[in-house]
Amino acid sequence: SQQGEEDPQALSIQEGENATMNCSYKTSINNLQWYRQNSGRGLVHLILIRSNEREKHSGRLRVTLDTSKKSSSLLITASRAADTASYFCATVVRGGGADGLTFGKGTHLIIQP
Amino acid sequence: DGGITQSPKYLFRKEGQNVTLSCEQNLNHDAMYWYRQDPGQGLRLIYYSQIVNDFQKGDIAEGYSVSREKKESFPLTVTSAQKNPTAFYLCASSIEPGQVGQPQHFGDGTRLSIL
Repeated sequence: SQQGEEDPQALSIQEGENATMNCSYKTSINNLQWYRQNSGRGLVHLILIRSNEREKHSGRLRVTLDTSKKSSSLLITASRAADTASYFCATVVRGGGADGLTFGKGTHLIIQP
Repeated sequence: DGGITQSPKYLFRKEGQNVTLSCEQNLNHDAMYWYRQDPGQGLRLIYYSQIVNDFQKGDIAEGYSVSREKKESFPLTVTSAQKNPTAFYLCASSIEPGQVGQPQHFGDGTRLSIL
């Protein structure tokens, strides 16, 4: 079953604007990760936030985590055409087995030039 | 450059045929994974392996088989028992098994279609 669910499913914005996408999950987590997937390619790891962290930055990316609401958000500032991709959140369940990550269905982001 | 290589990029299967997807990594990672991605969907775990000569079923293992004879290699066989094999298959690896929650590195996938 899917642990994380991204929202919105699709997002289209103008270049230079900020893009925000959200992820909700169901059970307690060890950490939450965000990945990017360009069309027809594999996933690329963007950022990892641990359950005891509330915010993390990496370049133009800002991730927040609210464990009380079981949700996370990914903010991409000053978007560029190259940011067009699908973005997935993935969780590692606390106390879960060594069976990898559980992915949501993704947010498809389109940056209009 | 270190990375994960999946081959072929495109693969076609006839009814009743088994096909094998290759996944090789030179990252010296212990854990390797196979995922299936359907259009507009997230990734679903097929099989994973934490160490050579050991592997475990994921959420959708039926109709698939794997082997892990070498640390660098984790091939996936899609058998004729898999009735709906058309999908995008992604191989990944991580330094340590998933319970530690390490980021995963992905190959560029194999797109499998039925003739």
